[in-house]
Amino acid sequence: LAKTTQPISMDSYEGQEVNITCSHNNIATNDYITWYQQFPSQGPRFIIQGYKTKVTNEVASLFIPADRKSSTLSLPRVSLSDTAVYYCLVADNNAGNMLTFGGGTRLMVKP
Amino acid sequence: NAGVMQNPRHLVRRRGQEARLRCSPMKGHSHVYWYRQLPEEGLKFMVYLQKENIIDESGMPKERFSAEFPKEGPSILRIQQVVRGDSAAYFCASSLTTAGAPGNSPLHFGNGTRLTVT
Repeated sequence: LAKTTQPISMDSYEGQEVNITCSHNNIATNDYITWYQQFPSQGPRFIIQGYKTKVTNEVASLFIPADRKSSTLSLPRVSLSDTAVYYCLVADNNAGNMLTFGGGTRLMVKP
Repeated sequence: NAGVMQNPRHLVRRRGQEARLRCSPMKGHSHVYWYRQLPEEGLKFMVYLQKENIIDESGMPKERFSAEFPKEGPSILRIQQVVRGDSAAYFCASSLTTAGAPGNSPLHFGNGTRLTVT
C-alpha cells in the first residue's frame, strides 16, 4: 500500500498562500493523488486530483514532481474558512481499491 | 442532486445493543465505502461494497461488524453488541466508478453518523 506522510499541522494568516506537501515514496504507476478537505463534524470534501506535473482548478493547485514521490497542495490567498484538516490520498489499485488516508494536516488560518 | 445521505446523524446505544447505520449513495453511484474516524484521528477504511457484493472488507473487524448493500435500498453498516470502543464517527462515501482507477471519479462523502456507546 502506498503510505502517505504529511505535516501534522500548519499555521497561516489570511491572504497568504499555503503549500502543504505530502510524501508518498512507494506510489505505484497507476496511482492517482487526491486531496480532500474536512471541516469539523462533516465528511471529507474532494479538492483536487492529479497524476503528474500540475493541475489547477478554481480552488487549488496540485504540483507533482517527475518522480511522483511527493505532491504539494497549494491554496492561494487563504481565508479563515479554509481552516480545516487536509488529507492526501494515494489511490491503490492493487488492494481491492482500498483507499488509504494519511493522518492529515490541520491548517489553522489566523486573522 | 442529493449528495450522500447518512442517517441517523447521531446514535446513542448502550453496551450490548445493536447499531444500524444507513447510507444512501449519490444517484447513479454503485460503489460504496465505509470509514471510521476516532476523535482527532484520520479516517480508517472499513469496507468497500458494490451492489449486492462485498468487494473488500479487510478493514472491518471480523466479529460483531457486518455490512451490506442490497439491490434496493441503502447500504447498512451493522454493529452487534456494541462496546465503548465502537464510539466514533462512521462515514460513508460513494463513487461513480472504481475509485483509484485511471480517470476515476473522486469519493463523495456523507456527513457521517456519530455513534456514542454508553
